[in-house]
Amino acid sequence: DTAVSQTPKYLVTQMGNDKSIKCEQNLGHDTMYWYKQDSKKFLKIMFSYNNKELIINETVPNRFSPKSPDKAHLNLHINSLELGDSAVYFCASSRLGGTGEFFGPGTRLTVL
Amino acid sequence: GQQLNQSPQSMFIQEGEDVSMNCTSSSIFNTWLWYKQDPGEGPVLLIALYKAGELTSNGRLTAQFGITRKDSFLNISASIPSDVGIYFCAGPDNGSGGSNYKLTFGKGTLLTVNP
Repeated sequence: DTAVSQTPKYLVTQMGNDKSIKCEQNLGHDTMYWYKQDSKKFLKIMFSYNNKELIINETVPNRFSPKSPDKAHLNLHINSLELGDSAVYFCASSRLGGTGEFFGPGTRLTVL
Repeated sequence: GQQLNQSPQSMFIQEGEDVSMNCTSSSIFNTWLWYKQDPGEGPVLLIALYKAGELTSNGRLTAQFGITRKDSFLNISASIPSDVGIYFCAGPDNGSGGSNYKLTFGKGTLLTVNP
């Protein structure tokens, strides 16, 4: 059974395009996150949502807009994609207050 | 934000060898987490430590929460080829809790095991 799922697994697109990544968790967790992993494998939090409400926004450009239609889903929309947006994006979830987050399989975004 | 210094950055070992890696911080952590990331996958939680001095095992893995609360160690005994991957330490930022919970990750240790 999949705990945290993301789609698509791979995304290749041109600069300037708009794209979305979807995430769903079936763990009943209250909190969901988006992380970015760069080419050096450094993991950095971007956003967290608790019960559909934005809690953390780590100085991410406003081209990135997360949306949580319900507490099991957290999607990430990216406008006007730039070369520097190329990375692996991970969705994760946890119970309120942590500890230990469950990660999805990641979406590898390549901007050409 | 807080920073975690993880070392070594990479390790190349022979199958059967023991491995040790560590994570240090300039500030106190109340929880230490160790994750493993297999190639092409998301990180998976291996061990969680909640108390200074705590020593916890998960199969061939053993992790310790340093008594100063500023460091943690992960040991892998009798390594096997499937231990290959990136190992991350992580801890919640000071002051983050409840809905404001936020993890800081170390930069990872890349482990390669030669059969």
